[in-house]
Amino acid sequence: GAGVSQSPSNKVTEKGKDVELRCDPISGHTALYWYRQRLGQGLEFLIYFQGNSAPDKSGLPSDRFSAERTGESVSTLTIQRTQQEDSAVYLCASSLVFRIGELFFGEGSRLTVL
Amino acid sequence: TQLLEQSPQFLSIQEGENLTVYCNSSSVFSSLQWYRQEPGEGPVLLVTVVTGGEVKKLKRLTFQFGDARKDSSLHITAAQPGDTGLYLCAGFRDSGNTPLVFGKGTRLSVIA
Repeated sequence: GAGVSQSPSNKVTEKGKDVELRCDPISGHTALYWYRQRLGQGLEFLIYFQGNSAPDKSGLPSDRFSAERTGESVSTLTIQRTQQEDSAVYLCASSLVFRIGELFFGEGSRLTVL
Repeated sequence: TQLLEQSPQFLSIQEGENLTVYCNSSSVFSSLQWYRQEPGEGPVLLVTVVTGGEVKKLKRLTFQFGDARKDSSLHITAAQPGDTGLYLCAGFRDSGNTPLVFGKGTRLSVIA
């Protein structure tokens, strides 16, 4: 597709379960970012990937969070042993090059942990 | 500590009124961007400002980047209900290889 695609759009899970969120960036975009947005809040940086460089994981809130990216395509964000405070919208974005230009966002994956 | 402070957090105004929202920091940014986000969607870029003192106009929206590149403002003239949304400022810090950082946003509601 033409834009950033995320799945699932909604996920309800029980506390303690693992979840995997997927992001398909715009073709040709070398940089990919994950942000978290709690209800009514701004965007909290989690992790970014740039080309084949090691990802910057400095924003991941705990070791329960991890992310992978296959080359310059799909990325998955995994949250292990989910907690209620993990409930949020997880937004993925991509850009042509890191730190230059516009970030294009997907519609997000809304995670609810019961 | 929030790197980019936005004010006000909430703003509810009547159609036709003017408004200004602010984005402030103690850090210098190589560029600042303004995004608008509607419910259930991701943010969409409105403008990027890169030069200290720069002013950009987008129809009824005027964006300004501070001379010291630490702050920015967004002014909307004659607001319309279609302007309703969450306005987010975001910037690339001048130092380091850091990603785009966002403020908490200003939630604007324009009542007809």
